[in-house]
Amino acid sequence: AAGVIQSPRHLIKEKRETATLKCYPIPRHDTVYWYQQGPGQDPQFLISFYEKMQSDKGSIPDRFSAQQFSDYHSELNMSSLELGDSALYFCASSSFGFDKENTEAFFGQGTRLTVV
Amino acid sequence: SQQGEEDPQALSIQEGENATMNCSYKTSINNLQWYRQNSGRGLVHLILIRSNEREKHSGRLRVTLDTSKKSSSLLITASRAADTASYFCATDGPHGGNAGNMLTFGGGTRLMVKP
Repeated sequence: AAGVIQSPRHLIKEKRETATLKCYPIPRHDTVYWYQQGPGQDPQFLISFYEKMQSDKGSIPDRFSAQQFSDYHSELNMSSLELGDSALYFCASSSFGFDKENTEAFFGQGTRLTVV
Repeated sequence: SQQGEEDPQALSIQEGENATMNCSYKTSINNLQWYRQNSGRGLVHLILIRSNEREKHSGRLRVTLDTSKKSSSLLITASRAADTASYFCATDGPHGGNAGNMLTFGGGTRLMVKP
């Protein structure tokens, strides 16, 4: 079965550069979530989209932005990167809009961003 | 305040023993989910229990939910070395029924199963 695809898997950027992370949800899933997980920390919710509209916003810095496109894939854009942005970035998808009672979120393998 | 706090933070057991991990949360929820994560890898969905359910089983996993105490437990029976991982609970909703519920993760329990 198709899973959530994230690209790239690894990314190395220098301070003050920009980075774009991509997420391709499971087919027919209408909700995408982005999470940031620092070393030894629990995943922190950044932002989510439902039907291409932003639906929830968590601890996402103003330097980051995200959107969901017409094909439901999502991109997380990160600018003015800081050393502290180094983390695993996970994308997850669910069919929340289809079945509000059964919102299992399925995660991608993550993008490991290293800022040097 | 943090939702979905886990207890214990670390657990070390022998293969074949049962492992119990607990999770507490603060606000009302639609459902609670348990995830497993191997070091530096993706989160794997294990089981979802809805707010109107009290217990759920899946293979060697047993999850309970006590909404009056705002707590859940994950029991892994007959543990195996391959169960070694971090286990997170995540709560979802209700956010007034709006679309796009977010999952709020707890701190995770690091389980080590020694062969």
